[in-house]
Amino acid sequence: DIQMTQSPSTLSASVGDRVTITCRASQSISSWLAWYQQKPGKVPKLLIYKASSLESGVPSRFSGSGSGTEFTLTISSLQPDDFATYYCQQYNSYSLTFGGGTKVEIK
Amino acid sequence: EVQLVQSGAEVKKPGESLKISCKGSGYSFTSNWIAWVRQMPGKGLEWMGIIHPGDFDTRYSPSFQGQVTISVDKSISTAYLQWGSLKASDTAMYYCARLDTGSGWYALGYWGQGTPVTVSS
Repeated sequence: DIQMTQSPSTLSASVGDRVTITCRASQSISSWLAWYQQKPGKVPKLLIYKASSLESGVPSRFSGSGSGTEFTLTISSLQPDDFATYYCQQYNSYSLTFGGGTKVEIK
Repeated sequence: EVQLVQSGAEVKKPGESLKISCKGSGYSFTSNWIAWVRQMPGKGLEWMGIIHPGDFDTRYSPSFQGQVTISVDKSISTAYLQWGSLKASDTAMYYCARLDTGSGWYALGYWGQGTPVTVSS
């Protein structure tokens, strides 16, 4: 099974900060990586698919990059609505795996 | 509008059986895999398995193989997740989600609202 390791697990940041979250796969997954945002008590929301494609309606301050085994989610200027937990997810041969999550907290 | 509507909250005792549902609408239900995802209290997302409503092909995460059964009734556009004998450790929120695909990508684009399951004596 492919393992996904996210870092950091918690991140403290201020409004306006540039934030980067990393996700590493235990083996190459090409660009089959997605990112989700989840707020407390809410359903996860797709932000990025195919490693770098922005889901419709998602603000352009979110961006994704990477391929193979290392991927990043960047928020260019953190907004109050962005304080949440973020998950990466890979797909490979009818199998999915989520990363452990990164909680973005207010500094 | 694509919607996945899940069945309501459940409170069960250890050893009881349970089947929760996820009804799709607003799209061709047999065209997309449906995934089930567990989220234990205060924890992250865990993929449990996927089913294709068109041909009933079903794949499980090794962590959940033999612990749950995923099924579908395509005549009513509904996917199911069931347990034969619940444990307290099955207490969690369970989400269904549609696996969207394109050229070289797969992602869970639409999610149900979640079904909270509580197992307690």
